[in-house]
Amino acid sequence: EDQVTQSPEALRLQEGESSSLNCSYTVSGLRGLFWYRQDPGKGPEFLFTLYSAGEEKEKERLKATLTKKESFLHITAPKPEDSATYLCAVQVYNQGGKLIFGQGTELSVKP
Amino acid sequence: NAGVTQTPKFQVLKTGQSMTLQCAQDMNHEYMSWYRQDPGMGLRLIHYSVGAGITDQGEVPNGYNVSRSTTEDFPLRLLSAAPSQTSVYFCASSYTTNVEKLFFGSGTQLSVL
Repeated sequence: EDQVTQSPEALRLQEGESSSLNCSYTVSGLRGLFWYRQDPGKGPEFLFTLYSAGEEKEKERLKATLTKKESFLHITAPKPEDSATYLCAVQVYNQGGKLIFGQGTELSVKP
Repeated sequence: NAGVTQTPKFQVLKTGQSMTLQCAQDMNHEYMSWYRQDPGMGLRLIHYSVGAGITDQGEVPNGYNVSRSTTEDFPLRLLSAAPSQTSVYFCASSYTTNVEKLFFGSGTQLSVL
């Protein structure tokens, strides 16, 4: 069964304290892996798409990487405005438009 | 561009009532989908559509109906609401069926008593 697991469930950081969020996946054939950010009371907002092992994408303080089994979202010198829930999702070959989401990691950055 | 518009934002139903959650997008996207989000379970796909007149089931389709008569609109119908359908519902669309980048609406919080 295709599965996506995110860890940790919650992460509390001090402003400037770098860390990483993990997304591990077990799928029959990965077509793409996606990262989204979700603020309370809002819909998720797209961050990155990764397609192949070794690929990296960056946006401001965020950097996403992909291996054959997992993806990491690295947060460098976070600020309080980075506080949000970060969601990981995968798309599997031959499953059309279906995305499988992980449970998310709730990040809190304190000043 | 309004993006993806969902209505209503909040709704309370009694068990057995029916209702339709509305979703419209103005980006000429081929792909549209409905998700529900429950604490600890992440987003789960209910139904999706790859174009007008074409719909398919997702992970949790039971109790929900959809149709896609136009490119812009993708309503979600609850035929006989149950307490298990209490959730936050999100509509999302993508330019192509490759679903490379989903645009989400702001959600509908539904409570079934």
